[in-house]
Amino acid sequence: AQSVTQPDIHITVSEGASLELRCNYSYGATPYLFWYVQSPGQGLQLLLKYFSGDTLVQGIKGFEAEFKRSQSSFNLRKPSVHWSDAAEYFCAVGATGNQFYFGTGTSLTVIP
Amino acid sequence: NAGVMQNPRHLVRRRGQEARLRCSPVKGHSHVYWYRQLPEEGLKFMVYLQKENIIDESGMPKERFSAEFPKEGPSILRIQQVVRGDSAAYFCASSPRSYEDPYTFGSGTRLTVV
Repeated sequence: AQSVTQPDIHITVSEGASLELRCNYSYGATPYLFWYVQSPGQGLQLLLKYFSGDTLVQGIKGFEAEFKRSQSSFNLRKPSVHWSDAAEYFCAVGATGNQFYFGTGTSLTVIP
Repeated sequence: NAGVMQNPRHLVRRRGQEARLRCSPVKGHSHVYWYRQLPEEGLKFMVYLQKENIIDESGMPKERFSAEFPKEGPSILRIQQVVRGDSAAYFCASSPRSYEDPYTFGSGTRLTVV
């Protein structure tokens, strides 16, 4: 069965520090992978996606993610975090049947 | 270029009442998806619709919940005889073709059952 695990429920980083949010998935075939960000009271905004090809994908707002098939991971990274990056981050895998499977999210706090 | 529009943003219902949540997809998008987000949880798939058709409702509770996407007008998620456990944020998303296209999400409807 398809599933997505985000092992870190909450992460706190200092502004300017680097960030890595972990995502592991379980899926039988080559997955479609996504990262979304949700600000309080808002919907989800797509940060980046992986379908095929280069395993390092660039997204909006300076985010990138790397697909590692051997580790079944799709970790999100940013070299220097800004206070406006504080939000909830969701990893998702697109599966057959037209539904996405979402992780439970990682809440990011940025301290000055 | 309007995104996915959901209304109302907030909805309060007493137990036993009906809740109707509306979703207007991005213009030109023919695929609509409904997800539910319970407190402290991720999003759970509920239903996938195309115009006038339910394609996949495997995530919908068997009773009290229904969804439609008519030829004209918004998609509607209907919850009859609401209970406290239905309190959640309900998100609608749309895409132009299929799941290979990333969703565009609405801002959600936050349902509170009192």
